[in-house]
Amino acid sequence: GGIITQTPKFLIGQEGQKLTLKCQQNFNHDTMYWYRQDSGKGLRLIYYSITENDLQKGDLSEGYDASREKKSSFSLTVTSAQKNEMAVFLCASRGFANSDYTFGSGTRLLVI
Amino acid sequence: GDSVTQTEGQVALSEEDFLTIHCNYSASGYPTLFWYVQYPGEGPQLLFRASRDKEKGSSRGFEATYDKGTTSFHLRKASVQESDSAVYYCALSPYTGNYKYVFGAGTRLKVIA
Repeated sequence: GGIITQTPKFLIGQEGQKLTLKCQQNFNHDTMYWYRQDSGKGLRLIYYSITENDLQKGDLSEGYDASREKKSSFSLTVTSAQKNEMAVFLCASRGFANSDYTFGSGTRLLVI
Repeated sequence: GDSVTQTEGQVALSEEDFLTIHCNYSASGYPTLFWYVQYPGEGPQLLFRASRDKEKGSSRGFEATYDKGTTSFHLRKASVQESDSAVYYCALSPYTGNYKYVFGAGTRLKVIA
């Protein structure tokens, strides 16, 4: 079986700092996603990538950059951390259209 | 655009109660419908899916039936346990093979022993 790994599990940064979250999957899935989950709220799509070197903006892309240099990895950068974006960031992957998402366990971001 | 609406907020039940979480969708054609469950500290994981009208998905005592007539995919369980406490998400994958799911806002289930 495969696994999707997010690092770090917890990330503490200062306001205004640039912070990077990483996601690795060994399913050989083509498509990968970054979602933001605010406490008690649903999932909001930040970026997704259909294949290596592809990037597509989601509904919440402002303030974030993403990078997909390899098929197996997808990084998300918070360009200038703000206190109002403390949340859990979830990475997911899927193999083909209409298939299931597999999620990582998340990176919890705390901005001080 | 496509959308998913599910029971808002939190549902609080006692053990052995019957559970219904409503999910209604708006999409053209035959989207694939999903229920995901998210336990504390984990990412959402697939509970089950359904792709055709009248198809029933089920897992771990939970079930839902795809109903194109009422555009619904309500989650039900006959007798909930404390261990079922989690957040439940209804989602759809559009018929056109769009790469993005559409998620509902999530429903938090709290089961009291």
